[in-house]
Amino acid sequence: QVQLQESGPGLAKASETLSLTCAVSGYSISSDFYWGWIRQPPGKGLEWIGGVYHSGNTYYNPSLKSRVAISLDTSKNKFSLMLTSVTAADTAVYYCVRQDLPAAILDHWGRGTLVTVSS
Amino acid sequence: QSVLTQPPSASGTPGQRVTISCSGSGSNIGSNTVNWYKQLPGTAPKFLIFNNHLRPSGVPDRFSGSKSGTSASLAINGLQSEDEAEYYCATWDDSLNSVVFGGGTKLAVL
Repeated sequence: QVQLQESGPGLAKASETLSLTCAVSGYSISSDFYWGWIRQPPGKGLEWIGGVYHSGNTYYNPSLKSRVAISLDTSKNKFSLMLTSVTAADTAVYYCVRQDLPAAILDHWGRGTLVTVSS
Repeated sequence: QSVLTQPPSASGTPGQRVTISCSGSGSNIGSNTVNWYKQLPGTAPKFLIFNNHLRPSGVPDRFSGSKSGTSASLAINGLQSEDEAEYYCATWDDSLNSVVFGGGTKLAVL
């Protein structure tokens, strides 16, 4: 079955760049679907970050678009998130997800990884 | 402030029917299909309902969804203790060109 697993530092420094990777098993990311990220600040709701298709087409949350980049590594069946100029407001659990866009169907999720931004 | 509006909480007793609403606008729910996600404490959300009313494989038929105009609803029949969770609605917003979520509804089974 399709499985996603996030990895990356659990701590990021304010003003620096947050980087996370998602390893996918059970499905080739170069076949179909958008691959992307959702985040959830502690005690709060879900926020969609964006998604990228193997053709290079991307969708990003307009509120984060200037700071975010999602890229695919099809040779390793992984994809990555980079979020620049982070602040404490970016502290959240970050989930990688398989997405059917623009249908907003998020059918497979990773377990999530907590990233804390410290000053 | 979420683009989609959900009640922050809902409750019911075992065996009851509970509904959770999700309100939006013409650029999101009014123009696109709605999906629902269930999140147990400390775990990742799980895909529950798609295309307004369809259930992925493995989701009990106690769960059902509907949409009318710019609002959608999730109904849970025969409430069980394991239904106690946070529920989120989501759809695409044509103006934002983005997935948008409701703020979530915490369901308590009393």
